[in-house]
Amino acid sequence: AQKVTQAQTEISVVEKEDVTLDCVYETRDTTYYLFWYKQPPSGELVFLIRRNSFDEQNEISGRYSWNFQKSTSSFNFTITASQVVDSAVYFCALIRNNAGNMLTFGGGTRLMVKP
Amino acid sequence: DGGITQSPKYLFRKEGQNVTLSCEQNLNHDAMYWYRQDPGQGLRLIYYSQIVNDFQKGDIAEGYSVSREKKESFPLTVTSAQKNPTAFYLCASSFSTGGYTFGSGTRLTVV
Repeated sequence: AQKVTQAQTEISVVEKEDVTLDCVYETRDTTYYLFWYKQPPSGELVFLIRRNSFDEQNEISGRYSWNFQKSTSSFNFTITASQVVDSAVYFCALIRNNAGNMLTFGGGTRLMVKP
Repeated sequence: DGGITQSPKYLFRKEGQNVTLSCEQNLNHDAMYWYRQDPGQGLRLIYYSQIVNDFQKGDIAEGYSVSREKKESFPLTVTSAQKNPTAFYLCASSFSTGGYTFGSGTRLTVV
């Protein structure tokens, strides 16, 4: 069975600090996709990144970076020089390829960035 | 602009009533999904549909029903059999192998 674990339920940092959100996943599939979404207080889910299981290259997009390591089944997300606008709940998710295109979500990490 | 529209944004239900949440997409996506989010928790799959006139139960389908008569529409009915319906409901759509687009959600409260 697929499972996504985000062990950090809540993180609080001061603006300009770097912060890493952890994500560990379990799947028996050899082909899968991993995602990160941001959920601001308004509630909608904002897509941040998709990574397939064959691409272990780290990715950087502005202040955001992602570290995918198949050896440890982890897909961690780092925000550099955090800002108050980064305050949100962040979800890691996995596509269940063996049963259609359904996302399995982790429990989410609430990030609070204080000025 | 293409996207997913969920309505209403807020919905109040009396005990024992059925209510229907609307979800419409104009992205020409094949698949549509309903997720439930409880406070401080992740999203759990209620129902999904990969083609018109076909849908499958997700992890927490009890007390819910859906229909998929048109490609663009995937309404969710929360029945009186759902014992704890107060939650945030998110609809999503995707191509069969592609990424998701989410709606802005409906917050349902039982009064």
